[in-house]
Amino acid sequence: EVQLLESGGGLVQPGGSLRLSCGASGFTFSAYVMTWVRQAPGKGLEWVSTIRASGDNTYYADSVKGRFTISRDNSRNTMFLQMNSLRAEDTAVYHCAKDGTDTDYIWGTYWDHWGQGTLVTVSS
Amino acid sequence: DIQMTQSPSTLSASVGDRVSITCRASQSISRYLAWYQQKPGKAPKVLIYKASSLQSGVPSRFSGSGSGTEFTLTISSLQPDDFATYYCQQYNDYHTFGQGTKLEIK
Repeated sequence: EVQLLESGGGLVQPGGSLRLSCGASGFTFSAYVMTWVRQAPGKGLEWVSTIRASGDNTYYADSVKGRFTISRDNSRNTMFLQMNSLRAEDTAVYHCAKDGTDTDYIWGTYWDHWGQGTLVTVSS
Repeated sequence: DIQMTQSPSTLSASVGDRVSITCRASQSISRYLAWYQQKPGKAPKVLIYKASSLQSGVPSRFSGSGSGTEFTLTISSLQPDDFATYYCQQYNDYHTFGQGTKLEIK
């Protein structure tokens, strides 16, 4: 059974940093593109960042480019999101998601498994 | 950037109704479109990918159609479990979601 478990969320002041983790099990993690998607309270879904299977290629939404860094450790079946210079508008539940295909297609495709998410609150 | 526009934003319907939700892309995305269902406090669940392919385990009352810039998600006969929010997502050029359609009980 595929499982994705996010951790690392919490309350942080504007301008602060946070590192999210996504632990994966139940599939060959190193073969799949992985993604972070966020959802602000009461709002819709927003794509944040994607990393290819090898970790060599990464993609970011304009809203987080230059502030967030996605990475992965395939030996530990874990993906990360380093979030710096956080703003109030970054407040959201952050979900990690597994790509629906194993084709390692550039920025990925759709997502067939999601974690339950971790809440990041940016507030003074 | 590709913009995705869903309509309607809210849809009121009854059990047994046939309903459709539309998603329009600001430029052609071929058939690189997925549909998700989300319930409050839960992660989204993929229903349809590649515009019309039914995800494994999803009931056959869900169907998708379209290509290019206009797409439709249809539920043939609404069940109580179907009342939720639905999102489209394009993956032709990075990723963009529609703003969501809340399907409510009439």
